[in-house]
Amino acid sequence: DQQVKQNSPSLSVQEGRISILNCDYTNSMFDYFLWYKKYPAEGPTFLISISSIKDKNEDGRFTVFLNKSAKHLSLHIVPSQPGDSAVYFCAAKILGSNYKLTFGKGTLLTVNP
Amino acid sequence: ETGVTQSPTHLIKTRGQQVTLRCSSQSGHNTVSWYQQALGQGPQFIFQYYREEENGRGNFPPRFSGLQFPNYSSELNVNALELDDSALYLCASSQGLAGAKNIQYFGAGTRLSVL
Repeated sequence: DQQVKQNSPSLSVQEGRISILNCDYTNSMFDYFLWYKKYPAEGPTFLISISSIKDKNEDGRFTVFLNKSAKHLSLHIVPSQPGDSAVYFCAAKILGSNYKLTFGKGTLLTVNP
Repeated sequence: ETGVTQSPTHLIKTRGQQVTLRCSSQSGHNTVSWYQQALGQGPQFIFQYYREEENGRGNFPPRFSGLQFPNYSSELNVNALELDDSALYLCASSQGLAGAKNIQYFGAGTRLSVL
């Protein structure tokens, strides 16, 4: 039962363009969402998060959008840089009553120079 | 400030053996979570320790056990290894009570291969 789904295993974009990574979830109890980035041979690195009471959170080149009614979130990277090439994981948790992060399978982003 | 460190980085075991993986939390963090990441999958939650006590557990059998020490470092023990236990094992530390918005910071992981 995959409660967090990242349906695109990979995404390739040109440097300077926008990267959009998508994530869907099925558990309506999730109320906090995070994106992690993972380079080979390193652990996942926290990127940005959003609470379910918001629909947008921005941090520099990274913006996360949340559509609760559609149970969908997306990560926008503008402009994309070659150093952004990594696997991006979407994760979700239930605040106040749960302790674990539930991850998607990840999307490999490749930014071409 | 030191980050989360895990040891060893790689490990090869045979089926039926036992293994212990170690994790040092980021400075100031008192909560440790362990995850298993199989090839092509996202990390799967194993369990979490808060102030030396297990604070939650995922869908893993009892042969997966853990400890947290007074300095908040942690161990993951796996008994009776099976071939499917081959995976990257990730440790994450955070500050504060379970369920809070506290961000989990991950180590680089231990790659376990069971032959």
